[in-house]
Formats: sequence, structure tokens, C-alpha cells
Amino acid sequence: AQSVTQLGSHVSVSEGALVLLRCNYSSSVPPYLFWYVQYPNQGLQLLLKYTTGATLVKGINGFEAEFKKSETSFHLTKPSAHMSDAAEYFCAYEMNTGFQKLVFGTGTRLLVSP
Amino acid sequence: GAGVSQSPRYKVAKRGQDVALRCDPISGHVSLFWYQQALGQGPEFLTYFQNEAQLDKSGLPSDRFFAERPEGSVSTLKIQRTQQEDSAVYLCASTLDEWRDSNQPQHFGDGTRLSIL
Repeated sequence: AQSVTQLGSHVSVSEGALVLLRCNYSSSVPPYLFWYVQYPNQGLQLLLKYTTGATLVKGINGFEAEFKKSETSFHLTKPSAHMSDAAEYFCAYEMNTGFQKLVFGTGTRLLVSP
Repeated sequence: GAGVSQSPRYKVAKRGQDVALRCDPISGHVSLFWYQQALGQGPEFLTYFQNEAQLDKSGLPSDRFFAERPEGSVSTLKIQRTQQEDSAVYLCASTLDEWRDSNQPQHFGDGTRLSIL
């Protein structure tokens, strides 16, 4: 079945530490992959997306992700965590339909401690 | 306003009541999406509108769920005879155009948190 899997429902880091949020996709998933962030009681905001071309994608707020076909992964990283990065992060893929039909993973909550 | 607006932000209803949730997309946006987000889960697609046409309603959980966008702008998601399992956050999103590989992102509203007692 087509899906994305986010490893770890919670990830805790210290402020200034590397952030690594993992996302693996099933090989049948079309390679339109996204990372979204959701702050408490808010909607989702697009961080970055991969469609074609360069496999290292840079997004907003210093985040980036690398599409690795050989590993079927699309992990999200940030070199140095800020307190303001504490939020829920969702990996998603776009189904092969005629419009932007997104399928989301179950999310990873990022906790940042001082 | 500049963003997607949803109302009400919170709705409490008794089991069996009907509810209506409203979404005001960004002006001029062609595409409109509804998602259901259960507690601790990612959003799940419910339905998609291109202007006033509902092109995909495959995610609606049952025939108690109904969505419309009669003039191609404001949309309403209606749930009839609500059940406890309908408790969730309902998110609306819009995009400027209708293309799958568009560079236009989905803009999300803050959602309506629905609690069924």
C-alpha cells in the first residue's frame, strides 16, 4: 500500500542541537513529497517539497530534506534547533491524481528544551 | 482576510445533532480541500472542490457527511446525526490553481475543533 511512515511520534532535542525527523515512503508512492509543520491550535504550513530535480531541498526556517530513492527516505533536518521549532511535523506525499491530493503521515512532535 | 478562515473555531454538539462548519478560502483560490484530523493523527483527506464542482469526495466517512461550495468560494461541511467518532479537528485548505504539479502550496485554515458529547 502507498504510505509514508514517520519514525518516532516524539523527538526531543536541546536548543542548538541537530534536528532529524525521519520519513520513509513506500516504493509505490509517487515522488512528490512534502514536509508540513503544525503549531498548536493552528493549521499546517508548508516547510518544503520535493517534486523533481535536485534531491536536497531547502525550505523555510532553516529546514532541509534530502530525497534518497535508494533508501526510500525523505528525512527532515535542521542544523541548530530553536525553541520556536517546537511543533508537530508531518511528512506527506501527493497522490497521482489530477489535483493536489495529499496523504499525511501520523506526525512527529518535536520538543526543544533550553 | 489574507488567509483561510474557518468558523466556528470550536463546536460542541450532542450526539445526534447536525453541525455545519464553514470555510472561507483565500479570495480567488480555485481549489478547496477538507481534511479531518483525529487526535494524535495526521490530517486525512475528505473532499476536494475545483470552483463549485466537487470532484472528489472519496474521503467522506459516511453519507452523514456532506460538503458544498455553491458559488465557488465559501464552503460548508455538514455532518448529520453526529456520532462520537466524528470528534476531530476539521481543516480546510485552498490553493490558487487546480494543478497537481503546481508550485502553489495549500494554505490551511486554523481548523474547527468539533467535540461530540
